[in-house]
Amino acid sequence: AQKVTQAQTEISVVEKEDVTLDCVYETRDTTYYLFWYKQPPSGELVFLIRRNSFDEQNEISGRYSWNFQKSTSSFNFTITASQVVDSAVYFCALSEAQVTNQAGTALIFGKGTTLSVSS
Amino acid sequence: DGGITQSPKYLFRKEGQNVTLSCEQNLNHDAMYWYRQDPGQGLRLIYYSQIVNDFQKGDIAEGYSVSREKKESFPLTVTSAQKNPTAFYLCASSMAGVQPQHFGDGTRLSIL
Repeated sequence: AQKVTQAQTEISVVEKEDVTLDCVYETRDTTYYLFWYKQPPSGELVFLIRRNSFDEQNEISGRYSWNFQKSTSSFNFTITASQVVDSAVYFCALSEAQVTNQAGTALIFGKGTTLSVSS
Repeated sequence: DGGITQSPKYLFRKEGQNVTLSCEQNLNHDAMYWYRQDPGQGLRLIYYSQIVNDFQKGDIAEGYSVSREKKESFPLTVTSAQKNPTAFYLCASSMAGVQPQHFGDGTRLSIL
């Protein structure tokens, strides 16, 4: 069965520290997609990244970077030089690829990691 | 601006009452979704719809109903059969295929 585990419930850091949020997933499919979303205190989820199972290249976007390792079924997210505005709940999610032409596919979310960055 | 609009932002339900949460999108997305978020539980899928006049149950559909009469709209009704409706409800939409989902601002439902 599909499952996403975010073992870190809460993390607290001081500004400018680097922080890594862990995500471990389970799936029987060979084709799947992984996502990270950010939920600031206002409540809406903001899409950060999508990665498919065939692309194990690490990705960097500004202060954000992602490390995808199929061998350990992990898709970890690192924030470099954290800032107070990074304070939010971060969700990792998994979706198996559609094998039909149907539109859309539901996501399986982890329980989230609450990141608090203090000044 | 294109996006997803959920209303109301806060909703209160009396015992035995059905309430409907609105979700409208102007992104021309085919698929729409409803999730429930409880503290420390992440998001759980209630229903999703991939096309007008069709929808599928998610993991926690009991006590909820939906309709998809228009591409832009996917309202969620929380029925009296849902015994623990207090939660934060998020609506999302996406393009065809495995595409990122765009989320609304959510509706917080509480019991009076």
